[in-house]
Amino acid sequence: SQQGEEDPQALSIQEGENATMNCSYKTSINNLQWYRQNSGRGLVHLILIRSNEREKHSGRLRVTLDTSKKSSSLLITASRAADTASYFCATGDWETSGSRLTFGEGTQLTVNP
Amino acid sequence: DTGVSQNPRHKITKRGQNVTFRCDPISEHNRLYWYRQTLGQGPEFLTYFQNEAQLEKSRLLSDRFSAERPKGSFSTLEIQRTEQGDSAMYLCASSLGPRNRLYEQYFGPGTRLTVT
Repeated sequence: SQQGEEDPQALSIQEGENATMNCSYKTSINNLQWYRQNSGRGLVHLILIRSNEREKHSGRLRVTLDTSKKSSSLLITASRAADTASYFCATGDWETSGSRLTFGEGTQLTVNP
Repeated sequence: DTGVSQNPRHKITKRGQNVTFRCDPISEHNRLYWYRQTLGQGPEFLTYFQNEAQLEKSRLLSDRFSAERPKGSFSTLEIQRTEQGDSAMYLCASSLGPRNRLYEQYFGPGTRLTVT
């Protein structure tokens, strides 16, 4: 079963705008990761945030984590047409669930040129 | 290319037939994972290996599914007596595991299975 929900399910923006995607999860975690999946390509790891971190940056990506609300957000700034893809959050809890990642249902982002 | 590779990329089979998929992980990665993804959903965990040992299996992995990693390198996933509900993308991933707290998983392109 899926760990949580992503919001929105679909997002359409213009090139240059910022895109924000949210993820909620249900169980305890020790890290949360974001992945991107383009049509016809595999999942690509974007960024990982640990449960003791609140915010992390990587290039145009900014991730926040609120463990009290069991939620995370991914912000993509200055979006490009090449950012069009599905974005998934995935949680890991090595103490209780071994090595598995539990994915959300994803947000489909479309960046219009 | 030193990423995760999967073969075949596409497989069409008739209901009741057996199929086998192969995954070659990144060479220095000791953990290997199998996930299944259906259209419009995120990947769902099936099983994972630490070297050649299968350490965890999801309840999604019915008796018709079996996975092996005989020498701790490549892995195979076999589905016996396929059913139409098995149609999905089967994804393989590898990682260094929790050593050095490196939790990222690297995914292959997947094998798309269609059962007719």
